[in-house]
Amino acid sequence: ETGVTQTPRHLVMGMTNKKSLKCEQHLGHNAMYWYKQSAKKPLELMFVYSLEERVENNSVPSRFSPECPNSSHLFLHLHTLQPEDSALYLCASSQSSGGATDTQYFGPGTRLTVL
Amino acid sequence: GEDVEQSLFLSVREGDSSVINCTYTDSSSTYLYWYKQEPGAGLQLLTYIFSNMDMKQDQRLTVLLNKKDKHLSLRIADTQTGDSAIYFCADHNTDKLIFGTGTRLQVFP
Repeated sequence: ETGVTQTPRHLVMGMTNKKSLKCEQHLGHNAMYWYKQSAKKPLELMFVYSLEERVENNSVPSRFSPECPNSSHLFLHLHTLQPEDSALYLCASSQSSGGATDTQYFGPGTRLTVL
Repeated sequence: GEDVEQSLFLSVREGDSSVINCTYTDSSSTYLYWYKQEPGAGLQLLTYIFSNMDMKQDQRLTVLLNKKDKHLSLRIADTQTGDSAIYFCADHNTDKLIFGTGTRLQVFP
C-alpha cells in the first residue's frame, strides 16, 4: 500500500466514548500532521510531529491526545468529545517539517460525528 | 496572522477553461500549492510553484503567480465533469501551510 492511509474512514461516537484515529504513511517521511476540517472554515493545523517528537500544538483542547510511536504511524486519541468536534480529520506527512520544500501529502481523512 | 483568501464558488461549462483565484498576505512565502478535494476524500496535491517563478504549466493546469500583488491563480483548460471538486490554495509560511477556505468548482454539461 502506498501514500498516506487513515482508519477508520467514518466514526460515530458518543460524548463519553474513547476512540482513536490511526494514520500510516508509506512514503519514508519524517514529519506527520493532524488537521481538522470543519464546514466553511479553513483547515486547522492541530499537531505536528517531526522524528516522533511533537514540535507544534496549536492550542488544541486536551480531549485530543496525539501519539507518534514511530515515523510511520500517528494516532489521535479522542475522549469526552463535544458535538462541535464533528469534522473531517486529515493526516498528512512530509519529508521533514519546517523546510520550504516540504510538500505535504494527505490521507483520505476520517469523518467523525460526535452525538 | 497570515491569511489566504479564495472565492467560494465557480461554475463553468464542460470544455471551457476554469480560473480559480487566490490572494495571500505572507510576504515571505516560498512555495504556494494547489490541492484538490473530491467529495468524501482527503486533499490531493495538484501542483505547486516556487515563489521565484511566475508561471508553471503541467498538462491542463497552469499556475500564475503575481508576487507583487500576492495573487495566485489556477487555470484548468478543457474543464471536465471529473474536475468538479473543492480547490484549496495553500501558502507555505515559515514551517506550516496556511490554507484558504477552498473554491467549489462545479462543471455542468
